[in-house]
Amino acid sequence: KAGVTQTPRYLIKTRGQQVTLSCSPISGHRSVSWYQQTPGQGLQFLFEYFSETQRNKGNFPGRFSGRQFSNSRSEMNVSTLELGDSALYLCASTPLGQLNNEQFFGPGTRLTVL
Amino acid sequence: AQSVSQHNHHVILSEAASLELGCNYSYGGTVNLFWYVQYPGQHLQLLLKYFSGDPLVKGIKGFEAEFIKSKFSFNLRKPSVQWSDTAEYFCAVTLTGYSSASKIIFGSGTRLSIRP
Repeated sequence: KAGVTQTPRYLIKTRGQQVTLSCSPISGHRSVSWYQQTPGQGLQFLFEYFSETQRNKGNFPGRFSGRQFSNSRSEMNVSTLELGDSALYLCASTPLGQLNNEQFFGPGTRLTVL
Repeated sequence: AQSVSQHNHHVILSEAASLELGCNYSYGGTVNLFWYVQYPGQHLQLLLKYFSGDPLVKGIKGFEAEFIKSKFSFNLRKPSVQWSDTAEYFCAVTLTGYSSASKIIFGSGTRLSIRP
């Protein structure tokens, strides 16, 4: 079974631009979560989608948004990029959105904002 | 608010040394506990998890962790580390009864460097 895939793997943008990141979960997994990873901050939860609905959102500004499609693929969008948005963005999927199921992480998208 | 503390930000050991990485959480209720590992250039992957039962949990690659409820701790251990254990290690906590990823709280991570 293929793992979680994220595209692109690397991205360089400038301040003020917007960016869209994509995540394809493991086949059959319906829950997709997004995290921001920065040095010293660990992983900060962005949002979670299950069956095309956003179930929960972390403490990030409205510039961060996401969506999930009927095939469970998910995208996240960051508008009006700031230097502080530079980070590794990780996507994780679980089969039914239950915590007793392991979260499987993708390789991440490394976003650099100049 | 719930939080997870990993007090060791960077640990440097020689091969064959014993390892213990600390993890403490703040929450008075029932929790699930996890350790994840991120090898250089690789995906974050699960090392081990605790939901209930025996508080001593064995994971992959010879790692184990002990849940001590009275100390709110879930320390990761390995008796003899190898150079290939060089990675970043994350402790995570979830609150039982919640099915949402927003209730997963990660520590800030511990970078482990092993000298060959």
